[in-house]
Amino acid sequence: EVQLLESGGGLVQPGGSVRLSCAASGFTFGSSRMTWLRQAPGKGLEWVSSISSSSDTTYYADSVKGRFAVSRDNSKNTLFLEMSSLRAEDTALYYCAKPITGSYGAVNYWGQGTLVTVSS
Amino acid sequence: DIQMTQSPSTLSASVGDRVTITCRASQSINTWLAWYQQKPGKIPRLLIYKASNLESGVPSRFSGSGSGTEFTLTISSLQPDDFATYYCQQYNTYSFTFGPGTKVDIK
Repeated sequence: EVQLLESGGGLVQPGGSVRLSCAASGFTFGSSRMTWLRQAPGKGLEWVSSISSSSDTTYYADSVKGRFAVSRDNSKNTLFLEMSSLRAEDTALYYCAKPITGSYGAVNYWGQGTLVTVSS
Repeated sequence: DIQMTQSPSTLSASVGDRVTITCRASQSINTWLAWYQQKPGKIPRLLIYKASNLESGVPSRFSGSGSGTEFTLTISSLQPDDFATYYCQQYNTYSFTFGPGTKVDIK
């Protein structure tokens, strides 16, 4: 059974930084592309970032480019999202997700999410 | 970035109704389109990928069609479990943008 467990969220001051982690199990993590998405309270879904299985390719939404960095440790089956220069509009539930094979976008497995609140 | 729109934004329907939701892309995305269902307080669920492919475990009353810039999600006979918000997402070109959602509620 695919399991994705996010951690690292919490209350962060504007301009601050936080690192999200996602522990993956139940599939061959090292062969899988991975994706982060987010959902602001009461709002719709937003794709944030994706990374190839070997980390040689990364993609970012324009809204986070230059401030967020996605990475992974295949030896530990863990995905990361390093978030810096945080803004109030980054407040959201952040989901770690596994896209369907061969895709970065269509996601068929989701974690439960970790909430990041950016506020002073 | 490719912009995605959905219509209607809200849809009131009854159990047993045939329901159609439309999603439009600002430029051609071939068939690189997914549909998701999300209920309040729950994680999204993939229903359809590549415009018309039913994800494993999704009831056959859900179907998708379209290519290029116009797509539809159809629920052939609405069931009580189907009252939710539905999102389309293009994954032809990053950023893999979502539509704003269509809320299907009880008439």
